[in-house]
Amino acid sequence: EAGVAQSPRYKIIEKRQSVAFWCNPISGHATLYWYQQILGQGPKLLIQFQNNGVVDDSQLPKDRFSAERLKGVDSTLKIQPAKLEDSAVYLCASSWGGFNTEAFFGQGTRLTVV
Amino acid sequence: AQSVTQPDIHITVSEGASLELRCNYSYGATPYLFWYVQSPGQGLQLLLKYFSGDTLVQGIKGFEAEFKRSQSSFNLRKPSVHWSDAAEYFCAVGANDYKLSFGAGTTVTVRA
Repeated sequence: EAGVAQSPRYKIIEKRQSVAFWCNPISGHATLYWYQQILGQGPKLLIQFQNNGVVDDSQLPKDRFSAERLKGVDSTLKIQPAKLEDSAVYLCASSWGGFNTEAFFGQGTRLTVV
Repeated sequence: AQSVTQPDIHITVSEGASLELRCNYSYGATPYLFWYVQSPGQGLQLLLKYFSGDTLVQGIKGFEAEFKRSQSSFNLRKPSVHWSDAAEYFCAVGANDYKLSFGAGTTVTVRA
């Protein structure tokens, strides 16, 4: 079974630029998560989708971050404009149901904002 | 809101020795508890989880964890560590609102 695919793996941008990350979850998984992992910290949930609807986006900085999951499959996470503190690894995960079903994580996108 | 504390930032253990990683959680009701492992350049992989029932949970790769309600702990153990166990380990707690909160992680170094 194919895993969660993310691209790009690495991205370096200047502050105030925009960037987008893409995630393709495991086929058939209804739930999709985006996490932000800052160096030295655990992953922090940014947004959770159930099919193409948002379940939780309470920790998403909505003034600069946006995410969508069209047709309940692929998802994109966008940052515009980026700040230095956005430097982190952005992890995408998917699961069949809610978190009580195993979440499978992608390798992540490492973003460096300079 | 739930939270997780992993008191040890870094642990060094000799190959073949036992390993115990500590995890303390804060949550008002019965929590859902998880341990994940993250190898360099890889995504997180679920080692084991506890929802209810037997408080000693067996996971993959020879790991086990014990839920102790009285101590609000969910410590991870392995009797004999292999060099391939060098990684970062995350404890996480879930609640009925389906949010999953992770601890800051413990980095494990295995020396020959």
